[in-house]
Amino acid sequence: QKEVEQDPGPLSVPEGAIVSLNCTYSNSAFQYFMWYRQYSRKGPELLMYTYSSGNKEDGRFTAQVDKSSKYISLFIRDSQPSDSATYLCAMSAKRNTPLVFGKGTRLSVIA
Amino acid sequence: DSGVTQTPKHLITATGQRVTLRCSPRSGDLSVYWYQQSLDQGLQFLIQYYNGEERAKGNILERFSAQQFPDLHSELNLSSLELGDSALYFCASTDYRGQESRMNTEAFFGQGTRLTVV
Repeated sequence: QKEVEQDPGPLSVPEGAIVSLNCTYSNSAFQYFMWYRQYSRKGPELLMYTYSSGNKEDGRFTAQVDKSSKYISLFIRDSQPSDSATYLCAMSAKRNTPLVFGKGTRLSVIA
Repeated sequence: DSGVTQTPKHLITATGQRVTLRCSPRSGDLSVYWYQQSLDQGLQFLIQYYNGEERAKGNILERFSAQQFPDLHSELNLSSLELGDSALYFCASTDYRGQESRMNTEAFFGQGTRLTVV
């Protein structure tokens, strides 16, 4: 079993839709959770960061962490064509330690 | 712009050759990570340096090595290259001025070096 599982998609939605992206993980020591957005041929860009369980909101983006279920989610409201990218979840057990990434979900938002 | 600079952006080389990839971390960041991204494996951690010292090792082949210099820039050396080494190589940095009291552990990534081995 991989440490972090992420549905690769691709996921295609109409503009304005609510998008839900998810990852599950097996290592209960993980407590730092991140979502990165990666456009084609570019480096991953940090979108959201959450420590331990709970929700965090930033504009159209909401990150949720459920440590009891080992499940994290990223919600995108009012999705835009510019949100079309690959979304990577990443996590680590301690500060300043290597991140373990999911394989990424490719999202297309159609105008 | 993440503040992390990687050079070169693209590299094409033949099997058996050796290349060096360079990374300049964000100003003040002490920690540098190297990751390899391929289509089938996703982003895989290779190695981490902290303030010049190796801190963690991941799935890094023996043919690969890295170092971090006193000015905190890092180099990843790939030798005896094989076709399967073709991938995107990313550098990331964290830990601004070693502020251990900070909760944040965000890693900022460079734009990567695309290596093609032919």
